[in-house]
Amino acid sequence: DTGVSQDPRHKITKRGQNVTFRCDPISEHNRLYWYRQTLGQGPEFLTYFQNEAQLEKSRLLSDRFSAERPKGSFSTLEIQRTEQGDSAMYLCASSLGEPRELFFGEGSRLTVL
Amino acid sequence: KQEVTQIPAALSVPEGENLVLNCSFTDSAIYNLQWFRQDPGKGLTSLLLIQSSQREQTSGRLNASLDKSSGRSTLYIAASQPGDSATYLCAVRPDSGAGSYQLTFGKGTKLSVIP
Repeated sequence: DTGVSQDPRHKITKRGQNVTFRCDPISEHNRLYWYRQTLGQGPEFLTYFQNEAQLEKSRLLSDRFSAERPKGSFSTLEIQRTEQGDSAMYLCASSLGEPRELFFGEGSRLTVL
Repeated sequence: KQEVTQIPAALSVPEGENLVLNCSFTDSAIYNLQWFRQDPGKGLTSLLLIQSSQREQTSGRLNASLDKSSGRSTLYIAASQPGDSATYLCAVRPDSGAGSYQLTFGKGTKLSVIP
C-alpha cells in the first residue's frame, strides 16, 4: 500500500494555458475524489468517481474543468484556459466501501501567473 | 447547507500540555465525522473517523468525541509534542441524499507546540 499518489506536486503556468493533474489512488480503492483547497480554507469538494463513473460534480467545477477515470484506476483533472483564480492546491482522495474513510494524497499545487 | 466551524483558529501551547480542539456543525444529519492533520504545503492525513452511532474513537494520544445531537466534536491531544504542530481539520459527511459523498470541511485549527 503506497498511498494516494499525485503528479505533479507543483505546476506553474501562465494564464490561458491548459494543465492536467494525475492521481493514482490506493490500489483496490474503488472510490476517488477531487477537492480544491485555497490558502487558509478547508478543502472544497469538486467531483467523485465510483469505479469509472463520475457520480457527483460540484458547482465549483466549471466547464473549463474536466475529470476522467478511465478503467476505474488512475484519474486526471484537466483545467483549460487557466485563470489566476484557479491557483490552489488540488487534492485527490480515495476510499473503499464502508465506513468510507478518505485517504488523501500530497496534493498538486497550481500557480497561475 | 452544512457549515463546519473550528475554534480557535490558532492555538499555541507549551510541550507536554493536554489540549482540546473544537469542531461544530450546523446540520446533525451526518453519516460520520473525520479528523485530519495537515502539515504546511502537504496533503491531509486521516487521524480518526467517528461514525454517527459512535461517541468516541481513540488512537494513541488522540481521542475524538462526537455529540451528534448538539452538533459538536472535540479532538483531545494528550501530552502534546512539538511534532504535533500542524493544522487540524474536521470534516463531516451527510447522512444521505444528493451530496452524500461530499465532505464539508472546517477551516482548521493551527496548532503550535512550543518546546
